[in-house]
Amino acid sequence: SQKIEQNSEALNIQEGKTATLTCNYTNYSPAYLQWYRQDPGRGPVFLLLIRENEKEKRKERLKVTFDTTLKQSLFHITASQPADSATYLCALNNQGGKLIFGQGTELSVKP
Amino acid sequence: DAGVIQSPRHEVTEMGQEVTLRCKPISGHDYLFWYRQTMMRGLELLIYFNNNVPIDDSGMPEDRFSAKMPNASFSTLKIQPSEPRDSAVYFCASSSTPRGTWDEQYFGPGTRLTVT
Repeated sequence: SQKIEQNSEALNIQEGKTATLTCNYTNYSPAYLQWYRQDPGRGPVFLLLIRENEKEKRKERLKVTFDTTLKQSLFHITASQPADSATYLCALNNQGGKLIFGQGTELSVKP
Repeated sequence: DAGVIQSPRHEVTEMGQEVTLRCKPISGHDYLFWYRQTMMRGLELLIYFNNNVPIDDSGMPEDRFSAKMPNASFSTLKIQPSEPRDSAVYFCASSSTPRGTWDEQYFGPGTRLTVT
């Protein structure tokens, strides 16, 4: 069956450390993968998109990797701050414009 | 631009009543998506439109759900009759494909629906 799995447990880290979130998928062949941030009571906000022919993408303190052999994407936040605390969703495209979302990982950055 | 606008933000209704959710996408975007988010099932795509035409409604749970997009700046999602299991947050999102490939989606603030 098709699955997208993210760290089910919340991730708690200390301010200044690097947060690493995982997204694994099964029985999909996505052309690209996206990461979104969602704060309580709000809609998801786009962060990064990485295509299947790209190994890594960076934006400020954010870095995403995409390994189509392992069927995995890693999302890193370096020098994390309490303001980075949120739920992070990975999403992959399936059949054209359809995005399939993972359940999300809740990140908590403590000062 | 004000972003994607949804109304109402909160809706409480009784089982059996009709519910209509509204969405105004970002001007110039040619794709519009309706999602539902629950703790159990996460964020699920219900239906999406391209240039006001429904492209894929395979995520619509049953005939009680219907969606329309009469013009480029307005879409509705209707549930009739509503049931308690429809309680969720419903998001509308829009996107554009300026380079012919998929881009990020812009989400509205959502409508929290409670059916009692």
